[in-house]
Amino acid sequence: GAGVSQSPSNKVTEKGKDVELRCDPISGHTALYWYRQRLGQGLEFLIYFQGNSAPDKSGLPSDRFSAERTGESVSTLTIQRTQQEDSAVYLCASSQQPNTEAFFGQGTRLTVV
Amino acid sequence: TQLLEQSPQFLSIQEGENLTVYCNSSSVFSSLQWYRQEPGEGPVLLVTVVTGGEVKKLKRLTFQFGDARKDSSLHITAAQPGDTGLYLCAGALVTGNQFYFGTGTSLTVIP
Repeated sequence: GAGVSQSPSNKVTEKGKDVELRCDPISGHTALYWYRQRLGQGLEFLIYFQGNSAPDKSGLPSDRFSAERTGESVSTLTIQRTQQEDSAVYLCASSQQPNTEAFFGQGTRLTVV
Repeated sequence: TQLLEQSPQFLSIQEGENLTVYCNSSSVFSSLQWYRQEPGEGPVLLVTVVTGGEVKKLKRLTFQFGDARKDSSLHITAAQPGDTGLYLCAGALVTGNQFYFGTGTSLTVIP
């Protein structure tokens, strides 16, 4: 695709439910990143993929968070048993190679009620 | 600890004023990028600097990469309300494969 696409753009879920957030990176981009951004704050690193592998998942805040990437393309971030503190915008970015410019999607705004 | 520290964290200025945002680290970066994020949008890449001491200009924006490639600055001349947004620096370490983002500077330009 022309750019990084994320879905859904908005998600409201009840506390305790599981959610899946999807990221379609730019075709051919080998590196993929997930970030979390709370209102008015900077970016909080969650996980980095190189191909389908995740060399660095140190930013995942708890074992309720997991992510996978398949076909060196689509990535899914899953949050289990959501809590109110999970409410944030989740941003995905991809880059052609590691260490090159990252291009961002519009983000998924997650609200846990 | 944050690898890239930005200052100031918040900045509110009048239209027409000049400003500088700083991005500092104790680590050496192979390249450094600046992004601007507007409300409800993802960050958009403004510039990449690669060479120590490099200066790049983008209209009223001037970006500089420190000689030692540990820091960078963004200078905006005659700020306009359209410059309002969150400015983020990001870089890739010489020794690694991952992007690190700065803490962000929230700029508000008042008409």
